[in-house]
Amino acid sequence: KQEVTQIPAALSVPEGENLVLNCSFTDSAIYNLQWFRQDPGKGLTSLLLIQSSQREQTSGRLNASLDKSSGRSTLYIAASQPGDSATYLCAVGGSARQLTFGSGTQLTVLP
Amino acid sequence: DTAVSQTPKYLVTQMGNDKSIKCEQNLGHDTMYWYKQDSKKFLKIMFSYNNKELIINETVPNRFSPKSPDKAHLNLHINSLELGDSAVYFCASSQRSSGRAKAYEQYFGPGTRLTVT
Repeated sequence: KQEVTQIPAALSVPEGENLVLNCSFTDSAIYNLQWFRQDPGKGLTSLLLIQSSQREQTSGRLNASLDKSSGRSTLYIAASQPGDSATYLCAVGGSARQLTFGSGTQLTVLP
Repeated sequence: DTAVSQTPKYLVTQMGNDKSIKCEQNLGHDTMYWYKQDSKKFLKIMFSYNNKELIINETVPNRFSPKSPDKAHLNLHINSLELGDSAVYFCASSQRSSGRAKAYEQYFGPGTRLTVT
């Protein structure tokens, strides 16, 4: 059974810092990996999708990497802004395309 | 134009009642999902439908019955509601043939906050 862990659970940084969020998963037989953002009381916004054959994806200030063999993914956020404050969720796609989620990293970017 | 919509957004009801949550997607996707987010904010898959056929039914009580009248809709009916059913329920959709890079990227609805009293 797939298990997804995200470290740290919470992170507080000053504005402008670069930061890395970590995600690890126990079963490397994944189809894809998706990073989401969730604002309080809101739904999930897809940030980046990495297919199992890919190593990384980039969108603006965000870069996600995937190392399937070691069961790890990282989300790099460059030049963080207060508007980046949210919970970031890592989700791994299984054989039936269902997502198994980590418990999230709550990010606070201080002005 | 909302891609994945859910109604209602909030639902407050008493134990023992039966309620339904509706989900619609206008993305032309062929797969739809229901996820439950508990009080600790942990998201877990409940059901998955592909072309109106049930693919995944995780260990969900049979009081929960999904219904997919067509590819664009996946509704969730809950019988005999219990206090432990209180949660936020998210609907999502994805498409297999969205081009290789985007295949099975899931798009989520805004969620339905269910409170059982």
